[in-house]
Amino acid sequence: GAGVSQSPSNKVTEKGKDVELRCDPISGHTALYWYRQRLGQGLEFLIYFQGNSAPDKSGLPSDRFSAERTGESVSTLTIQRTQQEDSAVYLCASSLPGRAGELFFGEGSRLTVL
Amino acid sequence: SQQGEEDPQALSIQEGENATMNCSYKTSINNLQWYRQNSGRGLVHLILIRSNEREKHSGRLRVTLDTSKKSSSLLITASRAADTASYFCANRTQGGSEKLVFGKGTKLTVNP
Repeated sequence: GAGVSQSPSNKVTEKGKDVELRCDPISGHTALYWYRQRLGQGLEFLIYFQGNSAPDKSGLPSDRFSAERTGESVSTLTIQRTQQEDSAVYLCASSLPGRAGELFFGEGSRLTVL
Repeated sequence: SQQGEEDPQALSIQEGENATMNCSYKTSINNLQWYRQNSGRGLVHLILIRSNEREKHSGRLRVTLDTSKKSSSLLITASRAADTASYFCANRTQGGSEKLVFGKGTKLTVNP
C-alpha cells in the first residue's frame, strides 16, 4: 500500500482479555517499529524489527507483551491479560534500513481496556 | 529513560508570529529529526539534521543543532492556524540501537 496501515483503529476490551494489533508497513521497508503513546504523552519505544528479527525489544513493558513479524512484512503486537494501564494508542512505523532513515507512521490503534 | 526533552511543553501564539521549540538530548547522536503530530493522528516527518550540520531550512521551518550543548531548536516562521499540532524531536544514539527515541513533545496552538 501507499502508507503504513494499522488495524484495528479502535479496540475496546475488558480487563484480562488478550488483544492483537496489526501493522502493514510500506512495501520494501525492512525496519519496523512499535511505539506506545499514552494520552497527552510522548512516544514510548516498545520494539524494533529488522527483517523478521527483533534486535531491540528493550521497551516491551512486561512479558504480557510480545510481537512478531513475518515475511519481512506484517507485524502483530499481542498483549495478553490486558490491564487498564495498557490503554493507549499503539503506533507502528516503518523505514528503509540504515541509521539515517526517517520513520513513516501509521495512524495508530487506540486501545481502551475497561 | 527517554532521551529528547522538548520545551516548552505547550506554546500558544497568534497567527503570523514565529514559534520556537527546543529539544535537549543526553548522548552523542548521528542525526536529529523533528516530527509533527496532529491530534489523534500518526506522526509525520518534518526535517532531519545530521550531527555535522548546524542549521537546516525547509520552507517555513528552520532547525539548528548545537552538539556541544546537546540541543536543537525548531523555528516555524509566519505561523498559521494549520500549524497547530504537537512537535517531537527524535534521535538515535550514536553506536547504539537502531531505535529512534522521542521526546515528550511541544503542543503548539496557533490562534487565528
